[in-house]
Amino acid sequence: EIVLTQSPATLSLSPGERATLSCRASQSVTNYLAWYQQKPGQAPRLLIYDASNRATGIPARFSGSGSGTDFTLTISSLEPEDFAVYYCQQRSNWPPTYTFGQGTKLEIK
Amino acid sequence: EVQLVESGGGLVQPGGSLRLSCAASGFTFSSCWMSWVRQVPGTGLEWLAYIKQDGSEKYYVDSVKGRFTISRDNAKNSLFLEMNSLRAEDTAVYYCARGDYWARYFESWGQGTLVTVSS
Repeated sequence: EIVLTQSPATLSLSPGERATLSCRASQSVTNYLAWYQQKPGQAPRLLIYDASNRATGIPARFSGSGSGTDFTLTISSLEPEDFAVYYCQQRSNWPPTYTFGQGTKLEIK
Repeated sequence: EVQLVESGGGLVQPGGSLRLSCAASGFTFSSCWMSWVRQVPGTGLEWLAYIKQDGSEKYYVDSVKGRFTISRDNAKNSLFLEMNSLRAEDTAVYYCARGDYWARYFESWGQGTLVTVSS
């Protein structure tokens, strides 16, 4: 089973700052990795898929990069609505099973 | 607009059963693979089960194999999760999720339904 490890657990930043979140896989997932945003009391929302593609309606300040085992989600300039928990996710080839990272909480400093 | 609306959650005793439903609208349900994902309050996300578009393939996480069954009714645009032998650790918010074309990611999510397993 592929394990996804996210760091840091908590990131404290101010609006306007740049956020860099990391996700490391225990073995290569090529570029089949997604990022989700979850706000309190809400369902997760897909932000990035295939490591670097923004989902429909996602602002350009969100970007993803990486391949193999190391991935990064970058938010170029934080808006107040960006403070949330972020999860990475991958799918194993066979059998198709899905795992999430433990999440990074992005909080206002 | 894609909508997924879960229902059927509630309080159930340990060892009991519950059936969750997810009503889908705004997209061609029969063309999409679907999954259930749960979240223990205050913690992370756990994928539970996947069902192919025609229901011919189903996969589960080890922790629910033999206890949970995913199914669908394409004529009624509905997804189900039958949960048996429930344990306290099954207490969570349960989400239904629509998969992307390649069955790699979860494009859309419902608002979730809370299942509490307690005596």
